[in-house]
Amino acid sequence: EIQLVESGGGMVQSGRSLRLSCTSAGFNFGECAVNWFRQAPGQGLEWVGNIRSAVYGATTEFAASVKGRFSISRDDSEGIARLDMTNVKSEDTGVYYCTASIDGYFLDYWGQGILVTVSS
Amino acid sequence: TQMSQSPSTLSASVGDRVTITCRASENINSWLAWFQQKPGKAPRRLISKASSLESGVPSRFVGSGSGTEFTLTITNVQPEDFATYYCHQYNYYWTFGQGTRVEIK
Repeated sequence: EIQLVESGGGMVQSGRSLRLSCTSAGFNFGECAVNWFRQAPGQGLEWVGNIRSAVYGATTEFAASVKGRFSISRDDSEGIARLDMTNVKSEDTGVYYCTASIDGYFLDYWGQGILVTVSS
Repeated sequence: TQMSQSPSTLSASVGDRVTITCRASENINSWLAWFQQKPGKAPRRLISKASSLESGVPSRFVGSGSGTEFTLTITNVQPEDFATYYCHQYNYYWTFGQGTRVEIK
């Protein structure tokens, strides 16, 4: 069964750090780009950042709102991608989703989401 | 690319036909998907490439359009269809509309 499962969420104080993980199963994770999206309470979905596959150098890109604070890494041997969030702000509160893309911009697979709450 | 949906809220009765419109700020060809989201749940993709129904999605969901104008029509609305719907472009990077909430009249 194809799965993406996010973990590591929870409550974190403003200015601190948090690591989210995205664990895959049932497909060739190493061939996929991984994107992270988030959804603030009552709002729509926003792209956070991505990491390309190793074939494309595992390069990363980020939305302006998180650039310099967030980073993404991947361990293809474990089928895991990680989103490291540093210096978190209240506006980082929301549900975070990881997705995997086999080719192009299509988001083939989605995780179920994980809640991050930033408290002051 | 900015995505604009209308209306933001739509009231309907079971059995009604409803239409949601999505406009892209530039040509996205047919690289558009529609998602359904219920409270506390992950988005579920209903349609990709503007009009291709995902596996297991009822045929009462119909997507159309290309370029910058797209529509999602739900014919014979069922109780389980009351939810929020998002359009999503994947022509270049990714953006979503602000959502249309379909509520019970």
